Amino acid sequence: GAVVSQHPSRVICKSGTSVKIECRSLDFQATTMFWYRQFPKKSLMLMATSNEGSKATYEQGVEKDKFLINHASLTLSTLTVTSAHPEDSSFYICSAQKGDLNTEAFFGQGTRLTVV
Amino acid sequence: KQEVTQIPAALSVPEGENLVLNCSFTDSAIYNLQWFRQDPGKGLTSLLLIQSSQREQTSGRLNASLDKSSGRSTLYIAASQPGDSATYLCAVYNSGGSNYKLTFGKGTLLTVNP
Repeated sequence: GAVVSQHPSRVICKSGTSVKIECRSLDFQATTMFWYRQFPKKSLMLMATSNEGSKATYEQGVEKDKFLINHASLTLSTLTVTSAHPEDSSFYICSAQKGDLNTEAFFGQGTRLTVV
Repeated sequence: KQEVTQIPAALSVPEGENLVLNCSFTDSAIYNLQWFRQDPGKGLTSLLLIQSSQREQTSGRLNASLDKSSGRSTLYIAASQPGDSATYLCAVYNSGGSNYKLTFGKGTLLTVNP
């Protein structure tokens, strides 16, 4: 398989502050990475598709100014939750694929965000 | 819009039993189907990937089948062990409007009792 590393695994922040989550493909290059949000007992919800060197594609209902995505290199994508509020508390997971978009997806360890 | 359903939502079995997890999807125009395992508070671990042209894939004690025309997949786990306890997620990959994406089911929470 391939390795996708996500950092941090847990973060607690105060309401109104911003939090950055990193997603790295350690042993392959990924032109496309994906960011998901997972609610308790719910499916993973795709938030956005991160494309290296271009703007991210956001899913309907996801605020792009709230969830800033940057994919500056072939091995790193970042998700910044801006002006975080308690309702942003959730489990965020990234994934990447090694080749074509319909190949196997590899996931990071996830980040538990708690906004207090 | 693609929808993925997993049945049962939860399953508890004694160690050593063989078991089947079910996944169904509404749009059969998929590129592939992937089964994942998720431990509490962790990310997803890929178990098996079945391309749309394939009928099944095997890895160790795991066997996944795909019937694309009927929109169904099953994950068979042989000789279950307590270490198999986790949530199992099914996801299908297809075109969702302007971009390709994985659509997930809610998962099946499996508990294997020693």
